[in-house]
Amino acid sequence: AQTVTQSQPEMSVQEAETVTLSCTYDTSENNYYLFWYKQPPSRQMILVIRQEAYKQQNATENRFSVNFQKAAKSFSLKISDSQLGDTAMYFCASVTSNTGKLIFGQGTTLQVKP
Amino acid sequence: EPEVTQTPSHQVTQMGQEVILRCVPISNHLYFYWYRQILGQKVEFLVSFYNNEISEKSEIFDDQFSVERPDGSNFTLKIRSTKLEDSAMYFCATGAGTTTADTQYFGPGTRLTVL
Repeated sequence: AQTVTQSQPEMSVQEAETVTLSCTYDTSENNYYLFWYKQPPSRQMILVIRQEAYKQQNATENRFSVNFQKAAKSFSLKISDSQLGDTAMYFCASVTSNTGKLIFGQGTTLQVKP
Repeated sequence: EPEVTQTPSHQVTQMGQEVILRCVPISNHLYFYWYRQILGQKVEFLVSFYNNEISEKSEIFDDQFSVERPDGSNFTLKIRSTKLEDSAMYFCATGAGTTTADTQYFGPGTRLTVL
């Protein structure tokens, strides 16, 4: 069975600094995808970044990048130049190509302090 | 930019009543999902829907739940006889790709409160 674990319930960072959120996963599949979603206080789920497991290159989206360590089954999110608007709950999620259902971690609440 | 919409944004109902939550997917998307999030907890998969039938459902998705695409555009989740523990945020998500693993785009959610 697929599992996703986020071991940091809460984190904080000063504005303009860098923060890394951790995520580990477990799957027996070879073909899977990993995501980070952001959930601000409005509770909307917003896609931050996506990584295909078959790609060795780490995905980047502007200030957001991942460190994908396939052998260690680790998928961390790095936020550079943190902004107040980054304050939100962040969820790591995985999906395999044969099911389509997203499996979410427990979430990490990130607070960016001015 | 196209987006998934959901109505209503907030639904309050009495225990035992039926509710229908509605979702309008992004127009060229083929895969449809419902998830729920009980306050303070993680997001849980309920059901996936493709080609007018359920592809997969979770243990949560018991006989009181049903989904359908009545008019080819809206995608609905019906809860036949609501329970207090059904109080949660319900998210619709849709995906465009040729595989089930394509990115899923979420709607803003419907907050369901069962009294």
